[in-house]
Amino acid sequence: EVQLLESGGGLVQPGGSLRLSCAASGFTFSSYAMSWVRQAPGKGLEWVSGIGGSGGSTYYADSVKGRFTLSRDNSKNTLYLQLNSLRAEDTAIYYCAKTMVQGVSHPYYFDYWGQGTLVTVSS
Amino acid sequence: EIVLTQSPATLSLSPGERATLSCRASQSVSSYLMWYQQKAGQAPRLLIYDASNRATGIPARFSGSGSGTDFTLTISSLEPEDFAVYYCQQRFIWPPLTFGGGTKVEIK
Repeated sequence: EVQLLESGGGLVQPGGSLRLSCAASGFTFSSYAMSWVRQAPGKGLEWVSGIGGSGGSTYYADSVKGRFTLSRDNSKNTLYLQLNSLRAEDTAIYYCAKTMVQGVSHPYYFDYWGQGTLVTVSS
Repeated sequence: EIVLTQSPATLSLSPGERATLSCRASQSVSSYLMWYQQKAGQAPRLLIYDASNRATGIPARFSGSGSGTDFTLTISSLEPEDFAVYYCQQRFIWPPLTFGGGTKVEIK
């Protein structure tokens, strides 16, 4: 059974940092591109960042480029998102999501999602 | 960036009725359009990929159609568990992958 378990969210002041983690199980982690998608309270979905299976290719939304860094450790089956220079508008539930298509470096679309971790940016 | 516009914002229907949801893209996305369902307090679930392909385990009452800029998600006969928010997503021109603003299907 595929499982994605996010952690690392919490309350942080504007300008602060957090590192989110997503522990994956139930599939060959290194064979699949992964992404983070966020959802502000009461709002829609926003793709944040994606990474290829090997970790060699990373992609970002303009809203987070230069502030967020996506990485993965395939030996630990874990995805990471480093959030720096956080702003109030980064407040959201952050979901880890698995690309459905095996062996591609692009995010494409998502067949499994975690339950999310809440990031709140406030003074 | 491709903008996806979903309509209507809210659809009020009764169980057993047919639901028709629309997603319009600001430019052609070929057939690279997905549909997700999200229930309150839950993560999204993939329903349809590449315009018309049902994801694993999705009931046949869900169907997708369209190409280019205009797409439709149809629920042939609403079940009680189908009342939720539905999002479309494109993968044709990215980054970024983009989502529509959502359509809420509520009980009339």
